[in-house]
Amino acid sequence: AQTVTQSQPEMSVQEAETVTLSCTYDTSESDYYLFWYKQPPSRQMILVIRQEAYKQQNATENRFSVNFQKAAKSFSLKISDSQLGDAAMYFCAYRDLTNTGANSKLTFGKGITLSVRP
Amino acid sequence: NAGVTQTPKFQVLKTGQSMTLQCAQDMNHNSMYWYRQDPGMGLRLIYYSASEGTTDKGEVPNGYNVSRLNKREFSLRLESAAPSQTSVYFCASSELGAKTQYFGPGTRLLVL
Repeated sequence: AQTVTQSQPEMSVQEAETVTLSCTYDTSESDYYLFWYKQPPSRQMILVIRQEAYKQQNATENRFSVNFQKAAKSFSLKISDSQLGDAAMYFCAYRDLTNTGANSKLTFGKGITLSVRP
Repeated sequence: NAGVTQTPKFQVLKTGQSMTLQCAQDMNHNSMYWYRQDPGMGLRLIYYSASEGTTDKGEVPNGYNVSRLNKREFSLRLESAAPSQTSVYFCASSELGAKTQYFGPGTRLLVL
């Protein structure tokens, strides 16, 4: 079974600075997707960024980028120029490339709470 | 475009009561999911529906039933609520084979 580990329960960053959130995963599959979701106090789950395992290039979305190390099974999220609105819980998630039945589910890490200091 | 909607937003139940959580999506997605979120646990899959008329169990299905009423709606039923079912419940949907799941705003359930 696939597992996703986020070992840091909390992190803090100064506004305008850069922070990196860590995630590791375990799978025997060679093709899969990885995601970072943001959950602000409203509890809405918001997709931040997605990475396909077969792509070597790291995904980037504006101030958000990932460092995807397939051999190390590591998938970290870097937030540049942190803003107060970035304060939230962030979840790393994994999904098999197959889409049959419950294999299409997302497997989530436990999440990390990010606070942004003004 | 409402995306994925869930009702109610918040509910308090007594042990042994029943209730149904409603979910609807207007994106014409085939696949729909129910997850629960507990503190320190991330989200875990309860049930999944690939298409209208089909459902599959996820990681934590005990104590729940689901109905895929049509392509738009996927409901989650607690027949006899227990305090262990106190949680936040999320519905999600995606196109079959699509990479991304879209989440509803969640239902917070408290079972006393």
